Amino acid sequence: GAVVSQHPSRVICKSGTSVKIECRSLDFQATTMFWYRQFPKKSLMLMATSNEGSKATYEQGVEKDKFLINHASLTLSTLTVTSAHPEDSSFYICSARVAGGPYHNEQFFGPGTRLTVL
Amino acid sequence: SQQGEEDPQALSIQEGENATMNCSYKTSINNLQWYRQNSGRGLVHLILIRSNEREKHSGRLRVTLDTSKKSSSLLITASRAADTASYFCATSNTGFQKLVFGTGTRLLVSP
Repeated sequence: GAVVSQHPSRVICKSGTSVKIECRSLDFQATTMFWYRQFPKKSLMLMATSNEGSKATYEQGVEKDKFLINHASLTLSTLTVTSAHPEDSSFYICSARVAGGPYHNEQFFGPGTRLTVL
Repeated sequence: SQQGEEDPQALSIQEGENATMNCSYKTSINNLQWYRQNSGRGLVHLILIRSNEREKHSGRLRVTLDTSKKSSSLLITASRAADTASYFCATSNTGFQKLVFGTGTRLLVSP
């Protein structure tokens, strides 16, 4: 299958700081990546759709200025949580949609990033 | 919210028993997928069933889809302790675009 990585896997930061999370497709190109948020023992909620070379599409209720998304290349999307607060603590998961090849249009998920804001 | 509902929320069984999880959704779909998530980890894709399919098998997994009832079920036969995880259904209404996840079922398989 196709592999998606996330970095860092865990991050602890102080309230008011910004945190950047990277999502990379390691062996395929992804024109579209998705960012999800998951609270403990809860389901995944889609935050935004990230398209290479264009602005991200945010779901209703997700603050664009709070969660900055950049999809600068076909293998990398970043999510920056700006001025993080304790309520932003969560598990953030990305997925990448494969462009071309045997897995064309399938989505593969990264291992997730655990963010804790103190 | 368009999020699907899954039941049961939690299921505890013994090794060797079968586990059945159900998923209901609200809108028309193009496909429905099932994922497994081990605690604190990412998602592993299990199986995809398209809206024009009624049943699909993969190893010990059997998935059914009833579009008239907007529901799906995942059956894991001869469960193993390693099957312990959370299971989520996810629907897509536009090919392979954004997914809407169900609430999940936490499965515990005891040796």
